Amino acid sequence: GDSVTQMEGPVTLSEEAFLTINCTYTATGYPSLFWYVQYPGEGLQLLLKATKADDKGSNKGFEATYRKETTSFHLEKGSVQVSDSAVYFCALSDNSGGSNYKLTFGKGTLLTVNP
Amino acid sequence: NAGVTQTPKFRILKIGQSMTLQCTQDMNHNYMYWYRQDPGMGLKLIYYSVGAGITDKGEVPNGYNVSRSTTEDFPLRLELAAPSQTSVYFCASSSTGFGETQYFGPGTRLLVL
Repeated sequence: GDSVTQMEGPVTLSEEAFLTINCTYTATGYPSLFWYVQYPGEGLQLLLKATKADDKGSNKGFEATYRKETTSFHLEKGSVQVSDSAVYFCALSDNSGGSNYKLTFGKGTLLTVNP
Repeated sequence: NAGVTQTPKFRILKIGQSMTLQCTQDMNHNYMYWYRQDPGMGLKLIYYSVGAGITDKGEVPNGYNVSRSTTEDFPLRLELAAPSQTSVYFCASSSTGFGETQYFGPGTRLLVL
């Protein structure tokens, strides 16, 4: 079945540091890949997505590139801010086996950015 | 445009009690979903619906029921609450299935004692 493995947290950084959160996946079809972010006390919201190999999703200074050869979708940001403190989820939507409705999530990575 | 709304925000139930978690979306989305989020475990799909009158089980449906009588509403029913159902519940919606962004509500925190 489909699965998503992402970097264990928590991750603690100082403001303006470089961020990488690793995400790898297994899927039977040709998935779309997502990063969702959950701020404290809120629901999840889409941060960025990519729908095919070599696509780069970007938003709010965050980027991730869909790497089919390494089955990865690592999240990066060049300079984090305190306001980026949140839980980040990698997820996939697979188009095979009639399960195209479903998002498969990683366990989430808690990021704390200190001033 | 409120997006996806959920009520209540927080609830304490005693073992064996029942309750309904409400979910409404105003985006005219066909697809709706219920997830539960347990600490350190990501989100698991409980039930989903691809349109009014059509529902199906997700990964963890036991102990729950759903109905979809309108496009806007997708209530989740808990029968005979158990401590294992202590969790945060999220409702989400999307216009279609594969590859589409899912829009999440703010969540309902449920504690079963």
